[in-house]
Amino acid sequence: EAGVVQSPRYKIIEKKQPVAFWCNPISGHNTLYWYLQNLGQGPELLIRYENEEAVDDSQLPKDRFSAERLKGVDSTLKIQPAELGDSAVYLCASSPEGSSYNEQFFGPGTRLTVL
Amino acid sequence: DAKTTQPPSMDCAEGRAANLPCNHSTISGNEYVYWYRQIHSQGPQYIIHGLKNNETNEMASLIITEDRKSSTLILPHATLRDTAVYYCIVSIGGATNKLIFGTGTLLAVQP
Repeated sequence: EAGVVQSPRYKIIEKKQPVAFWCNPISGHNTLYWYLQNLGQGPELLIRYENEEAVDDSQLPKDRFSAERLKGVDSTLKIQPAELGDSAVYLCASSPEGSSYNEQFFGPGTRLTVL
Repeated sequence: DAKTTQPPSMDCAEGRAANLPCNHSTISGNEYVYWYRQIHSQGPQYIIHGLKNNETNEMASLIITEDRKSSTLILPHATLRDTAVYYCIVSIGGATNKLIFGTGTLLAVQP
């Protein structure tokens, strides 16, 4: 089966510009996650969706970050405006409904560089 | 903050067993121990999880001490492709619960 797809894989922008990342989860997975990973650190959860509802966005910096998951499938994470400190890898993950344990399937990530 | 403590790095010879330790002294009775790994330039990959009993799958074995305060992930015959950062995470079961990643252990498998 196809894995989690993310695009683009790499993005370079200048500070104050907007940027968007796209994620297509594994078919049938109703839970979708966005993580931020700084260099040398483990991933940190930004937001979790159950279908189209954002059920945990407590770690999402809402002044500049936004996310949506229309129709409960694909998701987009946006930053506007980007700051130098936003340079990181943005990971998307998904998991199936009703899973009794916490196996999450990760995409390859989008590496963002803000100049 | 992560609830686990892992050594920052370890080496292992190719073909030998890799034993990765993890301390989780504050683990709660309903929390599982999960292991994920992250190969360079890829997203993390689930390896194995356990509650009390030792577990084995096609990738690895998980040994959990009787008091559940520590565990060891064993890769029985490490290959160069096992070079990765290995994360030990404690979490309540179910996809609705957060995975809190620490900084993990960088395992370098040497030829």
